Amino acid sequence: GNSVTQMEGPVTLSEEAFLTINCTYTATGYPSLFWYVQYPGEGLQLLLKATKADDKGSNKGFEATYRKETTSFHLEKGSVQVSDSAVYFCALKTQGGSEKLVFGKGTKLTVNP
Amino acid sequence: EAGVTQFPSHSVIEKGQTVTLRCDPISGHDNLYWYRRVMGKEIKFLLHFVKESKQDESGMPNNRFLAERTGGTYSTLKVQPAELEDSGVYFCASSQDLRAETQYFGPGTRLLVL
Repeated sequence: GNSVTQMEGPVTLSEEAFLTINCTYTATGYPSLFWYVQYPGEGLQLLLKATKADDKGSNKGFEATYRKETTSFHLEKGSVQVSDSAVYFCALKTQGGSEKLVFGKGTKLTVNP
Repeated sequence: EAGVTQFPSHSVIEKGQTVTLRCDPISGHDNLYWYRRVMGKEIKFLLHFVKESKQDESGMPNNRFLAERTGGTYSTLKVQPAELEDSGVYFCASSQDLRAETQYFGPGTRLLVL
């Protein structure tokens, strides 16, 4: 079946550090891939997405590239800020089938000043 | 434009009681989804409405859960009777149509069953 595996947290970084959160997936066909973020006390927000191989999604300084050969969609940011502290979820949605999102377990990021 | 809203934000009930969660999707969104995150685990799909019809309810855990979407607007998710393992955060999401890639999530309802 379809599944998403993302690195276990929590992750603690200092401001301006480089961030990588690994995400790999297993899916039938060619899924669309997403990163969602949940800030404290808020709901899930779409951070970025990619719908086909080699696409790069980007938003708010975050990037992730859809790598079909390694079935990965790692999230990166060159210089994190305290305001990036949140829980990050990698997710996939298969094409042409159910519209449901399949999520990873989430990675809690804390950025210290 | 208002986002997806959910009510209540928190609910604490005793085992065996009934709880009803409500979701109001973004106006004009035909697709409505329910998800659940049990402590420390993945967010898992429960079901999907297209307007008032259940498109996919493969994620509903058992018959203690009943979802409705009368008139194709807001949706309710009733748990009756609640069990300890039902504790978690229940998220609702909506999207405009099936071609839309983005699902917009509400803030969630945190349910604690004692």
